[in-house]
Formats: sequence, structure tokens, C-alpha cells
Amino acid sequence: EPEVTQTPSHQVTQMGQEVILRCVPISNHLYFYWYRQILGQKVEFLVSFYNNEISEKSEIFDDQFSVERPDGSNFTLKIRSTKLEDSAMYFCASSARDRGNQPQHFGDGTRLSIL
Amino acid sequence: AQTVTQSQPEMSVQEAETVTLSCTYDTSENNYYLFWYKQPPSRQMILVIRQEAYKQQNATENRFSVNFQKAAKSFSLKISDSQLGDTAMYFCAFTPVFGNEKLTFGTGTRLTIIP
Repeated sequence: EPEVTQTPSHQVTQMGQEVILRCVPISNHLYFYWYRQILGQKVEFLVSFYNNEISEKSEIFDDQFSVERPDGSNFTLKIRSTKLEDSAMYFCASSARDRGNQPQHFGDGTRLSIL
Repeated sequence: AQTVTQSQPEMSVQEAETVTLSCTYDTSENNYYLFWYKQPPSRQMILVIRQEAYKQQNATENRFSVNFQKAAKSFSLKISDSQLGDTAMYFCAFTPVFGNEKLTFGTGTRLTIIP
């Protein structure tokens, strides 16, 4: 069964540095998402992406964050000037449609640790 | 805005027994989807079951079934004949049918199946 893959599985970065989290969505999917899960807290929506542009973003997704689909397969989340509070699990998801009858498929996540 | 509440942070049950995980939600939407996702220790979130709000019949997937009470805004998950592989975090999630497509998650229930 096709899967969403994320790399790296664990990223350790010094505070203030930039980090790029990578995702390869399922190949025939058109909608892409990033979610964040701070340790011990709920999974939170960050951003959704369709047709090469952001379709929705949460208030968490400020100017520090950006997303890109640089080629036909990758979907990246860039965090500039990282802060301690950016430490979290980051999940990528993709779906064939933006409706619940085509559910979102999640990757394994990237654990981001900011030192 | 939608909210999803899971009031049981942790549960444990003996193997082969039945367990029910609770979820309540709040929304002004009339049409929406509800989901249960499972996150085993391997981290990838996997869709367990989904329910369409306009369907009165409760969804069933093998050992997993839901009790959807739309008026009460309740969406519980029942796992029958529980197995060791059911040990995981379980997240209840909501998305409206129209409008944005993000998932709103509850805080999760950590379920442990005891041999």
C-alpha cells in the first residue's frame, strides 16, 4: 500500500538555525498538509497546500514557516530561525481530495529537537 | 471553530476484552466527517474508521465500531476482542464536509492491551 514518507526521522538543530523537513506524499494525491504535535499535546494543523499554493494556514503558521513543492514528488516545510518551542513531532499528510471521504494519510513524522 | 474532546488520557484492558474510547465534539456544522486514527509506537497515524454525519448507521470495520450520537455530539470507538497490536494512541478527529479541509484532533487516549 502506498505510504507517505518523511525524512529525516529525527532532526536536531541549534536554536536560530533553519531547518527543512521533507515529505514525499502518495503519488496520485493532490492535497498536502503539515501538522505538529508538541510532546504530550494534541496534533495541531499547520497548513494545507493545493495546486502549488497554500489553501489554509493556522495561526501557528507565521512568517517563520514556509512550504514548497519544489518538484513533482517532494513537499517541504521550512522553519527559519528556529526557537525552542518549535521542538515537536511534525507530520506530513496527503489526500486525494479535500473531503473526508478521501481521508488523509499520514507519514511517520519527523521529531524536531531544538537545542 | 470546532473542538474535539477525549476525556480518557489513558486506558488499559485485558487481551480479548472489549474497550470503548470516548470522544465528544462541538461544531455548528451540520455536515461533517469524524475519524478515529491509531498511532502505534512506530509513530505513523493510521485511519481506523470514519463516520459521515449524515449517515445514521454506525460505521463498522471488523473489530472496530463506533457509536455515533449526532444530537449529543458523541463519537465513541468500540474495540472488540482486543489484541496486543491494538496498543497505541487513539485520536478522534473532525473535519467539515464543506469549507476548510483541516483535521481537528482530540488530545488522544493511550490504550494498552494487557496480555
